[in-house]
Amino acid sequence: AQSVTQLDSHVSVSEGTPVLLRCNYSSSYSPSLFWYVQHPNKGLQLLLKYTSAATLVKGINGFEAEFKKSETSFHLTKPSAHMSDAAEYFCVVSNNDMRFGAGTRLTVKP
Amino acid sequence: DAGITQSPRYKITETGRQVTLMCHQTWSHSYMFWYRQDLGHGLRLIYYSAAADITDKGEVPDGYVVSRSKTENFPLTLESATRSQTSVYFCASTPDFHNSPLHFGNGTRLTVT
Repeated sequence: AQSVTQLDSHVSVSEGTPVLLRCNYSSSYSPSLFWYVQHPNKGLQLLLKYTSAATLVKGINGFEAEFKKSETSFHLTKPSAHMSDAAEYFCVVSNNDMRFGAGTRLTVKP
Repeated sequence: DAGITQSPRYKITETGRQVTLMCHQTWSHSYMFWYRQDLGHGLRLIYYSAAADITDKGEVPDGYVVSRSKTENFPLTLESATRSQTSVYFCASTPDFHNSPLHFGNGTRLTVT
């Protein structure tokens, strides 16, 4: 069985400051890992994915995530938050099935 | 336009009624999924399909029925709607279950009164 835990339900940052959204996973086998973003009243959009290649993965809109097997983590980061980054973010682990985290709501203050 | 389309966007129905949510994709992706999104639960898988005429239960299948007679369509039916099925429903597709990302529709907001 596999599972994913997003450690923060809500993160608030100021515009221009770094973003860190935390995700831990458990999986019996080498998983694929994804981060998705959801803007209000929209479907989910892929930010980035890890599928056993480079451990540091770059995504769209300046986001990146690092796969750390020893820590079973796949945290999402961005050096400088923009107002348009305010959204819900989901970490997903995929192996025999696909499991979503509960989501982290990112608020960006001006 | 290529993509994945859900209809309707909004639906209000009464307890006990049957309601069908539609999902159509134009990529000929093999895999299709139905999720429900509820506050505090993230997305939970209801049903999925690996190909036409192949469907399987997900995490929360009770009270739902699916069919996949054609690759591009994957309707979700609530046979007798209950208030607990009030939710936002998302359809998604992918060509490769493990390595490829999911492509999502914009969702259907269902209210059961």
